[in-house]
Amino acid sequence: EAAVTQSPRNKVTVTGGNVTLSCRQTNSHNYMYWYRQDTGHGLRLIHYSYGAGNLQIGDVPDGYKATRTTQEDFFLLLELASPSQTSLYFCASSDPTEVFFGKGTRLTVV
Amino acid sequence: QQKVQQSPESLTVSEGAMASLNCTFSDGTSDNFRWYRQHSGKGLEVLVSIFSDGEKEEGRFTAHLNRASLHVSLHIREPQPSDSAVYLCAMHQGGSAKLIFGEGTKLTVSS
Repeated sequence: EAAVTQSPRNKVTVTGGNVTLSCRQTNSHNYMYWYRQDTGHGLRLIHYSYGAGNLQIGDVPDGYKATRTTQEDFFLLLELASPSQTSLYFCASSDPTEVFFGKGTRLTVV
Repeated sequence: QQKVQQSPESLTVSEGAMASLNCTFSDGTSDNFRWYRQHSGKGLEVLVSIFSDGEKEEGRFTAHLNRASLHVSLHIREPQPSDSAVYLCAMHQGGSAKLIFGEGTKLTVSS
């Protein structure tokens, strides 16, 4: 069964803290994505990748790094978290015909 | 840069009346389009995927795509209060893997 698994599902960190959000897909898809969702903004693309070792810049990349270590795993890194990064984060994987989303990670930076 | 705009921002319809949502995009190179539903605090539920001009029906949900007019719509037949949610339009940007979203339409179905 196709799946995208995000961890953790909820995270609270302090301003200036270091956070890593994880995403694993079992769909054998080449493409993976990280989005943030804030009220009134839909989903905004942070970074995406089309394979292990590849990284593409999205539309709102500032303050975020990402790394695609394997076909299955895509990580989002916040090295100096700020309150403005409090958001709901979604990971997705896709091929040309289908897209699957994870259930989201709610990050709060206090 | 490809843009996706959704309208209206919010929509209220009566239970059983047709609901129509719109999405326009800035160029015609996109490969495919999807409509998603998101209930408050929940994840994304795909409703319809459409890859070519014309109509695609999935149950009570029908998408219409017209690349020439840079427009894709979603029509919800006999909406119910449980359809109250935010509806998001998404597209793969042509020639790249970039998957981008509109900002959503908040639908309220009143009983």
